[in-house]
Amino acid sequence: SYVLTQPPSVSVAPGKTARITCGGNNIGSKSVHWYQQKPGQAPVLVIYYDSDRPSGIPERFSGSNSGNTATLTISRVEAGDEADYYCQVWDSSSDPHVVFGGGTKLTVL
Amino acid sequence: QITLKESGPTLVKPTQTLTLTCTFSGFSLSTSGVGVGWIRQPPGKALEWLALIYWNDDKRYSPSLKSRLTITKDTSKNQVVLTMTNMDPVDTATYYCAHPSGGGPSYFDYWGQGTLVTVSS
Repeated sequence: SYVLTQPPSVSVAPGKTARITCGGNNIGSKSVHWYQQKPGQAPVLVIYYDSDRPSGIPERFSGSNSGNTATLTISRVEAGDEADYYCQVWDSSSDPHVVFGGGTKLTVL
Repeated sequence: QITLKESGPTLVKPTQTLTLTCTFSGFSLSTSGVGVGWIRQPPGKALEWLALIYWNDDKRYSPSLKSRLTITKDTSKNQVVLTMTNMDPVDTATYYCAHPSGGGPSYFDYWGQGTLVTVSS
């Protein structure tokens, strides 16, 4: 089964840039989607198809995907960005299914 | 405007079967390309995808939980039902239903608020 690996935590100072990685075997050949989840709330889509932003998501959120690593980049980080972030792909094996990463806790210092 | 809401028991006993209902509005499961999925999250842990059902009754299940899960739809009621057999305390989690965008492999663009299910005797 396909495995997505995320760092458990990332810390960044306000105004700086945060980069959250999502590792997987040849993940660059898949479409990666990212979700933000704040405590007690349902996840919210922040990036889809590697780098597209849903309406209402600030331009500070961007994504890239190549080789074995996909990256969610948050520029000019704000206190309100503190949350858990999850990557997601479809594993198109003989039994296609959804896979989520283990999540990354973003702490704004 | 798409909305989804989960309902079901908050407490189940070990070995019992859990039945959860997702009631949605703003789309129809009789429309080509439309689906509904279930995802769960144990307290303090990561999201785990469970199952998906599409407008054409195509069903996908988590390989690790496939033997315990059944997903069905009632198009006339705008509902999707997930059953999970042989519940165990490790199945304690918040269960979400969500709307996948477009047909086929994609992302979840709308989520329900989630419902916490505790498994305990």
